[in-house]
Amino acid sequence: EDQVTQSPEALRLQEGESSSLNCSYTVSGLRGLFWYRQDPGKGPEFLFTLYSAGEEKEKERLKATLTKKESFLHITAPKPEDSATYLCAVDNYGQNFVFGPGTRLSVLP
Amino acid sequence: DAGITQSPRHKVTETGTPVTLRCHQTENHRYMYWYRQDPGHGLRLIHYSYGVKDTDKGEVSDGYSVSRSKTEDFLLTLESATSSQTSVYFCAISEGRGLEGYNEQFFGPGTRLTVL
Repeated sequence: EDQVTQSPEALRLQEGESSSLNCSYTVSGLRGLFWYRQDPGKGPEFLFTLYSAGEEKEKERLKATLTKKESFLHITAPKPEDSATYLCAVDNYGQNFVFGPGTRLSVLP
Repeated sequence: DAGITQSPRHKVTETGTPVTLRCHQTENHRYMYWYRQDPGHGLRLIHYSYGVKDTDKGEVSDGYSVSRSKTEDFLLTLESATSSQTSVYFCAISEGRGLEGYNEQFFGPGTRLTVL
């Protein structure tokens, strides 16, 4: 069965303290890996798509990378407004995306 | 932001009553999806549509039905609501499936449904 796991479950950082979130996947095939940000009470907001190992995408303080078994979301010098739950999802050529449970990030001022 | 609205945003109902949730998009995207989000389970697909009157089941479709009579509207119906259907429901849209650059799904704001 295809699975997506994310670690850590929750992460607390001080403002400016860089870190990485992990998304590991076990799937029969990978057409694409997606990162989303979700604020409390809102729908997921699309951040990145990665299609092949070695690919990287950047947006402001976020950088997403992809290997054959996992993806990392690197957060450089985070600010309190980066606090959110970050979701990853895999398109495994099936009928739907397989979503991970998310990492809840808190950035303290 | 993608033009996706959901209505109602909050609903409380009783077990056994029918409930219909609406998703409306202004992006003219072909694909529309209904997900539920529950603690410990993440987002799970209920049903999706790949065109007007073309729908298919997702992984948690039991107890739900959908309809799409217009490109812009996708309805989710709980024929007889149960407490296990208490959840947050999200609609999503995408331009396509399987083509790089068209797979991304964009989500609506969600509907919080409570079944007493």
